[in-house]
Amino acid sequence: DIQMTQSPSSLSASVGDRVTIPCRASQTIRSYLNWYQQKPGKAPKLLIYAASRLQSGVPSRFSGGGSGTDFNLTISSLQPEDFATYYCQQSYSSPPFNFGPGTKVDVK
Amino acid sequence: EVQLVESGGGLVQPGGSLRLSCAASGFTFSSYDMHWVRQATGKGLEWVSAIGTSGDTYYPGSVKGRFTISRENAKNSLYLQMNTVRAGDTAVYYCARVSHYYDSSGYYYWYFDLWGRGTLVTVSS
Repeated sequence: DIQMTQSPSSLSASVGDRVTIPCRASQTIRSYLNWYQQKPGKAPKLLIYAASRLQSGVPSRFSGGGSGTDFNLTISSLQPEDFATYYCQQSYSSPPFNFGPGTKVDVK
Repeated sequence: EVQLVESGGGLVQPGGSLRLSCAASGFTFSSYDMHWVRQATGKGLEWVSAIGTSGDTYYPGSVKGRFTISRENAKNSLYLQMNTVRAGDTAVYYCARVSHYYDSSGYYYWYFDLWGRGTLVTVSS
């Protein structure tokens, strides 16, 4: 099975900061990587698919990069509504389609 | 409105059974692969099962043999039959729709573009 890791599990930032959230796969997943944002008590929301493609309606301050085993989600200028937990998920080949453990972005 | 609405959650005893439902509306349900994803309180997301448009199904080892995913296209509904439940199955269960993208080389990428609000399953005596 492909394991997904996200470190750190949490990071503190301020409004206006540039924030980068890493994600690593235990083996290559090419560009088969999705990013989701989740706020407390809410369902996850798709931000990025295929490692770098921005989902329709998602603000352009979000971007994704990487391929193979190392990926990142970048928020160019953190906004108040961006404080949330971010999950990566691999969609490569066969199941299980594991998620990373998440990175929580909170207020510094 | 395009949406997914889960139901059927509740309190169930260890070893018992429960059937979750997910009602789809606003889109052609039969044309989409569908998944279940769960989340224990304070924990991360865990993929639970998948069903393709042709009825092919997939499970992780943690639920294989105990859970069964199914769909009824005529009713725009997705189901998860949970048998022999354990305390570790306690979670909010989300249904999720799969959409896809083909890049310029023809490679197929998929992702969850629509999620329900979830239904809580509590396994306890």
